[in-house]
Amino acid sequence: EPEVTQTPSHQVTQMGQEVILRCVPISNHLYFYWYRQILGQKVEFLVSFYNNEISEKSEIFDDQFSVERPDGSNFTLKIRSTKLEDSAMYFCASSVQGRNQPQHFGDGTRLSIL
Amino acid sequence: GESVGLHLPTLSVQEGDNSIINCAYSNSASDYFIWYKQESGKGPQFIIDIRSNMDKRQGQRVTVLLNKTVKHLSLQIAATQPGDSAVYFCAENGYDYKLSFGAGTTVTVRA
Repeated sequence: EPEVTQTPSHQVTQMGQEVILRCVPISNHLYFYWYRQILGQKVEFLVSFYNNEISEKSEIFDDQFSVERPDGSNFTLKIRSTKLEDSAMYFCASSVQGRNQPQHFGDGTRLSIL
Repeated sequence: GESVGLHLPTLSVQEGDNSIINCAYSNSASDYFIWYKQESGKGPQFIIDIRSNMDKRQGQRVTVLLNKTVKHLSLQIAATQPGDSAVYFCAENGYDYKLSFGAGTTVTVRA
């Protein structure tokens, strides 16, 4: 069964450094998402992406965050200058269509900011 | 604002019994709902979904019930197995693209 893959599984970064999290969505999916989950809390939406542009973003997704689809298979989340509070699990998801469709999640990248 | 939440943070169930996990939502505009299962160290795994024009949907050993009148969603797991131990989240989708998740219920299956 096709799945969303994310790399790395764990990223440790110094505060203030840039970090790029990578995702390969399911190949025939058109909509891509990033969510985060702070330890012990619920999953929170960050951003959705379709047709090479952001379709929706949350208040969390400020100017320090950006997303890109650099080629036909990868989807990346960049945090420009990391803060301690960015420490969380970051999940990538994809879906065939944008609404009323199941979003399929990867196993996440654990981001630890020191 | 919209919020999706679960009634109980934890549920302990005897192996072989049926489990019922509840979720209340507040956004009456939500028209699509999903249940996810999250095992330790993994991402949310799709279990079953339901659209607002339905009140019941069945899968393999799972049933989702939707009561739009009281904005309540439930997941029933038949003959609970040890592999069902996980955190279960309900999520809802309204007019936008994002899923809004509830806080999660941790299900522990006793042997």
